[in-house]
Amino acid sequence: DVKVTQSSRYLVKRTGEKVFLECVQDMDHENMFWYRQDPGLGLRLIYFSYDVKMKEKGDIPEGYSVSREKKERFSLILESASTNQTSMYLCASRNGGGSYEQYFGPGTRLTVT
Amino acid sequence: AQKITQTQPGMFVQEKEAVTLDCTYDTSDQSYGLFWYKQPSSGEMIFLIYQGSYDEQNATEGRYSLNFQKARKSANLVISASQLGDSAMYFCAMRESGRGSGYSTLTFGKGTMLLVSP
Repeated sequence: DVKVTQSSRYLVKRTGEKVFLECVQDMDHENMFWYRQDPGLGLRLIYFSYDVKMKEKGDIPEGYSVSREKKERFSLILESASTNQTSMYLCASRNGGGSYEQYFGPGTRLTVT
Repeated sequence: AQKITQTQPGMFVQEKEAVTLDCTYDTSDQSYGLFWYKQPSSGEMIFLIYQGSYDEQNATEGRYSLNFQKARKSANLVISASQLGDSAMYFCAMRESGRGSGYSTLTFGKGTMLLVSP
């Protein structure tokens, strides 16, 4: 079974802190994604990575950056957390081949106070 | 403009009945795909079913079927014989390519909350 894990289920941080959200997948997938989920807005793509060290902005990249130094790990970084970044963050991965299905991690609920 | 529209914020159905969750989409791509994901209260996203734009037959997976009407740009999810465990948020999503890297991404709708009552 594909497994996507995220470093924390719940996280509370203060405004202005630098926050790292980590995601690891164990299926050697080429592509990895970070989404945020807010009530009434669905999932919105923040960034994705199609290969190691390669990244591309999604629909809402402002205030975020990402890092992918190893194939299995994709990190989302909030350089200076703000209260409007309080949200559920979901990581996903997919095989870069013919299957388009994305496999999701359990999510991290981040609260910025 | 919204690319995926789910017009039903919430739906109620009785156990053992069938239910249809609506999804319409907007794209100018010739090659695209539609997904449905289920998100129970625990939060994980569970893949249910996929339909490619060139697939001639409607996709089916057990109790789930996708009613794909290409001309109307709709991809409704039909759940037959609803069960209590089907209570969850359901998201329709569309695969599209064309980002700078050429790699495909998913665009999600806002979701429909389904409640199944005994």
